[in-house]
Amino acid sequence: DAGVTQSPTHLIKTRGQQVTLRCSPKSGHDTVSWYQQALGQEPQFIFQYYEEEERQRGNFPDRFSGHQFPNYSSELNVNALLLGDSALYLCASSRDIGQGAGRNQPQHFGDGTRLSIL
Amino acid sequence: RKEVEQDPGPFNVPEGATVAFNCTYSNSASQSFFWYRQDCRKEPKLLMSVYSSGNEDGRFTAQLNRASQYISLLIRDSKLSDSATYLCVVRLQTGANNLFFGTGTRLTVIP
Repeated sequence: DAGVTQSPTHLIKTRGQQVTLRCSPKSGHDTVSWYQQALGQEPQFIFQYYEEEERQRGNFPDRFSGHQFPNYSSELNVNALLLGDSALYLCASSRDIGQGAGRNQPQHFGDGTRLSIL
Repeated sequence: RKEVEQDPGPFNVPEGATVAFNCTYSNSASQSFFWYRQDCRKEPKLLMSVYSSGNEDGRFTAQLNRASQYISLLIRDSKLSDSATYLCVVRLQTGANNLFFGTGTRLTVIP
């Protein structure tokens, strides 16, 4: 049973370039969330995808966009890269069990993609 | 104000010691609570969910006090392998499922 997988593991880009990161959720999971973790900081929520739509978004600019495919995998795209975008990008998956009490479904993280901007 | 506040530490304890971490959350509508551990330059890994009645998993015990908006983690008989950063994580009672992380508490267990 494969866990959350992300690719690539490492990536080096220059300012102004565009990047696409990929994530395959854990088997049985239908929800994918993306987080940015700068060095020495805690993860910050970027956005979440469910049923191929962006369900919620954190405080990130429009340069950050995403997509979810019918097989639940997801992509994170970042345009016009800045030096401050250098971080570990984490994908987390979970299973949506609907509204109401008992929605204590934890998220499981992939190994992350370490993005360096030169 | 941050959604989740933690003492960053570091906590340096000898093997076999008992250590406790605390965190507070600001939103009373928070619904779900977790402790994750993160090793250096690795992804966060779920340690345990935290339930209102308190819960235990081996040497680890988690407690939740909703009235005080306070979460704790107790580690008994510390092992060298427990050295990591422990992240207090909260999910708000919204339509989505995004997590808010504390800054983490760094633990080093010393031989």
